[in-house]
Amino acid sequence: ETGVTQSPTHLIKTRGQQVTLRCSSQSGHNTVSWYQQALGQGPQFIFQYYREEENGRGNFPPRFSGLQFPNYSSELNVNALELDDSALYLCASTNPIAQGAGELFFGEGSRLTVL
Amino acid sequence: GQNIDQPTEMTATEGAIVQINCTYQTSGFNGLFWYQQHAGEAPTFLSYNVLDGLEEKGRFSSFLSRSKGYSYLLLKELQMKDSASYLCAPSGGYNKLIFGAGTRLAVHP
Repeated sequence: ETGVTQSPTHLIKTRGQQVTLRCSSQSGHNTVSWYQQALGQGPQFIFQYYREEENGRGNFPPRFSGLQFPNYSSELNVNALELDDSALYLCASTNPIAQGAGELFFGEGSRLTVL
Repeated sequence: GQNIDQPTEMTATEGAIVQINCTYQTSGFNGLFWYQQHAGEAPTFLSYNVLDGLEEKGRFSSFLSRSKGYSYLLLKELQMKDSASYLCAPSGGYNKLIFGAGTRLAVHP
């Protein structure tokens, strides 16, 4: 157990809908990253939040957006869902200053299916 | 650009040794991580290399050559529970890990 919790664990949406995924980071971790993992692929970096501000973004369109709250928890929002958005969405937290390696601690993920 | 290359699949026998290679090209480099991911589960941290050389951690060791853009993960005394995907992930700075597609390792008796 990493102490990173995500909700919901599974959800089904239809094309064009919007979805919000939530993540609570491990205690003491101020940085949250979101990844998308399609079946059989490695996780793809979506964006990272540090102290409530976006701190880097991967190659994802603007309909992928996020928030980080003062308690360091985070949300991932996806608008205008497409079939290809079906994937496992992973949240990972870290505290780059406190930890030497700065490894990411992953939650169990939210599996999104778009029909 | 960013490119990470590792074998798609490997098989090995229980008790044996296996080496999973990874070559990478990234626009920035802050070290390289290896993660293990069992089917249907989250990735878990295995090792981190920032300097050239070998880091040993029990049955798992990881090697890095920054000049060659090359790393490998060495697993010794393989156990059935080591059947999983192994993800090579160079860090592009600010802990932004860029993951490869992963190597699916199957350990058989």
